[in-house]
Amino acid sequence: QKEVEQNSGPLSVPEGAIASLNCTYSDRGSQSFFWYRQYSGKSPELIMFIYSNGDKEDGRFTAQLNKASQYVSLLIRDSQPSDSATYLCAVTNSSASKIIFGSGTRLSIRP
Amino acid sequence: KAGVTQTPRYLIKTRGQQVTLSCSPISGHRSVSWYQQTPGQGLQFLFEYFSETQRNKGNFPGRFSGRQFSNSRSEMNVSTLELGDSALYLCASSLGTVGNYEQYFGPGTRLTVT
Repeated sequence: QKEVEQNSGPLSVPEGAIASLNCTYSDRGSQSFFWYRQYSGKSPELIMFIYSNGDKEDGRFTAQLNKASQYVSLLIRDSQPSDSATYLCAVTNSSASKIIFGSGTRLSIRP
Repeated sequence: KAGVTQTPRYLIKTRGQQVTLSCSPISGHRSVSWYQQTPGQGLQFLFEYFSETQRNKGNFPGRFSGRQFSNSRSEMNVSTLELGDSALYLCASSLGTVGNYEQYFGPGTRLTVT
């Protein structure tokens, strides 16, 4: 079992709709969770940092964390073509000694 | 505020050579982490430095090493380069130790080993 799992996609969503990206992790002791967006040929850009159960909202982005079920999701409302990118989920291990990245979900927003 | 900077941005080296990559963190950030990104393996953690000390190291051979200076700038060195070392090397900085603070990436150094 991979430490951080994401569906590789591509996930195709019509413009204006809600895009839902999911991530599961194996280390029950993980405390901190990140979502990054990475455009092709660019470095990852931090979208969300969450460490408490529940929802965290920032503009059109909402991260949802459920530690009991060991998943974290990212919702993108009113999806725009500029949201087309690979989204990386990252999780700290239980000792907070490193951040482990998933392989990413490729999102495509169709006009 | 200036972001994380990395130099050089592109590098071509020959097998057996060594290479040094440089990273300047965001002003005030004391933690610098290094990652290797390849299409096959994704983003993999190399090591983290905090206050000039290596806190943690990923599963990479000893050919990969690093250091951090008193001004928080960091360098990463790869000796005896192999073809498989071709990758995007990313540096990320944060205010404090990994996992407790937001972490921001630099633009990366694209290393090609021929």
